[in-house]
Amino acid sequence: KAGVTQTPRYLIKTRGQQVTLSCSPISGHRSVSWYQQTPGQGLQFLFEYFSETQRNKGNFPGRFSGRQFSNSRSEMNVSTLELGDSALYLCASTLPGLAGGYEQFFGPGTRLTVL
Amino acid sequence: SQQGEEDPQALSIQEGENATMNCSYKTSINNLQWYRQNSGRGLVHLILIRSNEREKHSGRLRVTLDTSKKSSSLLITASRAADTASYFCATDTGTYKYIFGTGTRLKVLA
Repeated sequence: KAGVTQTPRYLIKTRGQQVTLSCSPISGHRSVSWYQQTPGQGLQFLFEYFSETQRNKGNFPGRFSGRQFSNSRSEMNVSTLELGDSALYLCASTLPGLAGGYEQFFGPGTRLTVL
Repeated sequence: SQQGEEDPQALSIQEGENATMNCSYKTSINNLQWYRQNSGRGLVHLILIRSNEREKHSGRLRVTLDTSKKSSSLLITASRAADTASYFCATDTGTYKYIFGTGTRLKVLA
């Protein structure tokens, strides 16, 4: 099976712009989670989707949003970018329908730099 | 604040030695997982231990869980240079949300 894929791998934006990141989970996985990783804050949970529904979200401002499509692919969007949004954004997929108890499979991440 | 805090933050050992890292968390969990991350790349799942388990082994890895102390430890035996990475614990509280610890940076010297 192909692993979790994330596009693009690297992105450079300027303050005030918006960005959309994409994640394709492993075939058959219907749960997708997003994380932000920075040196200062570590790995922070952004949100989790299952069957196009957001089931949980972390403590991030409304500028961070996401969605999931019927084929389980997910996108996250950050509007009005700030310098502090520079981070590695990681996507992870898990087996369908389960509230935890299974390993997450991570993609390679998207490295976002905001200038 | 983050659920998991890991200790030590950084660890440097010689090849062949054992490496132990600890994770503490704050609330009740369904399970706890350990992940490895190489140099700012994606995370790789290592092992999962459920709340009703006390110890689990996988190859050179040994994980313990003490729910009364809300802590877990990861032991890597006979370490290799290829084990150099950051290690994270992640707790699952059953709310479709995993909370990651701060991580331990392990360096294994050849």
